This record gives sequence, C-alpha cells and structure tokens, in this order.
Amino acid sequence: DTEVTQTPKHLVMGMTNKKSLKCEQHMGHRAMYWYKQKAKKPPELMFVYSYEKLSINESVPSRFSPECPNSSLLNLHLHALQPEDSALYLCASSRDLGYGYTFGSGTRLTVV
Amino acid sequence: AQSVTQLDSHVSVSEGTPVLLRCNYSSSYSPSLFWYVQHPNKGLQLLLKYTSAATLVKGINGFEAEFKKSETSFHLTKPSAHMSDAAEYFCVVIDPYNQGGKLIFGQGTELSVKP
Repeated sequence: DTEVTQTPKHLVMGMTNKKSLKCEQHMGHRAMYWYKQKAKKPPELMFVYSYEKLSINESVPSRFSPECPNSSLLNLHLHALQPEDSALYLCASSRDLGYGYTFGSGTRLTVV
Repeated sequence: AQSVTQLDSHVSVSEGTPVLLRCNYSSSYSPSLFWYVQHPNKGLQLLLKYTSAATLVKGINGFEAEFKKSETSFHLTKPSAHMSDAAEYFCVVIDPYNQGGKLIFGQGTELSVKP
C-alpha cells in the first residue's frame, strides 16, 4: 500500500459544528503532516507529527486540534471554524523527517 | 534559510511541443529538491526528486529535471507536452537539518496545453 487516504473528500460545516478529518497510511512512515491550501496558492504547513508526537505547530489557531492516535492514523478536529478556513486540507506522510512526502488527495472543506 | 523561486507563474504550450518550467533555489546545505504536480481539485503527486545522486533526474510521465549547482537551478522539462499535463507544478526544497524537515514550496507554475 503506497497511498495516503483522506476522508471525507468533501465536507460542509457550519460555524458552530464540530467535525473531524481523518488521514491514514500503511507505509510504515513515522512522520505525518497537515497542510492547508487555498486556491491558486502552495500548501501551507499546519502541523508535523514525528513518531506520534507533535513536533511542529505553525501557530495554528486552537479551533484546529490535531491528534495522532497511532503511527498509521492522523486526525484533525475542527470546532467553531470561520468561513476563511474554507480550503483544501492535505495530509502527507514521509519515512522520517527530511524525506520526500506522499500526499493524500485532500478534503475540500467549506465553512458556511 | 531555504527558499525556492519559480520563475514563471503561468506557462502555455501547444500539444506536442517541449515543456520547460523553471525553478531556482537557495540552500545553505546540499539540498533535496522535488517537483510535485497538482491537477485541479486533487492532491499533490510526486513527479521526481533529487537527493545528491545523479544530477539528471528522470521522473514519471516523461518528465525530467537537471540539478545545476553552479546556477542553483532545478528546471523541469518534457520533450513533448500532452493535454493531460495541464496542471499546477510546484518546485520544493527540503532541509533535513533545519525546520524539522519542512517542505519549502515555490509559488507554483500553472501549465496550460493548447490542442
């Protein structure tokens, strides 16, 4: 299995909702990442997990809460989002920090 | 600090003609460089990577890139464009010794392919 699987593919949520994005990989990769991508822009790093521990938080607002339950799974919990948080959320993994990434196909999030 | 500059925000070619997407990098160390492609509403797919082995790197779908240290460049080429090559292309540098292995993205080049 050489893929990173993200669910759901599309999500529409209200500003008072709580939802979660899920990311899964079975390549034995020990680093996992969340990126946010707005239209016509490169992805922006949000969080880095290395060996299931949070190693980088790029000053992301607390309404985004990451979780790494095990080495194959990465979640992003969403609460009280704003319309400007609407974007494509990409998950990625790599063998370790400093190696090339494998990206998932993303979750298209719309906040209404 | 690492940085990447993609010299063209948009490139338009005709089907069957060569493709050249330009990328310059700045790195304090021997860099690892990548090209990723993103089709509309899709994730990023790795085209090719340079990690200090051969300077001419071959990737998927007929793409290749040449690492030129003297010019700090890593341009992406393809001899003959296909309609399916129309997409956004990102040149990326990674510094494993700093910033936690963070990917540094260029601003992207949108490739259009005319019939």
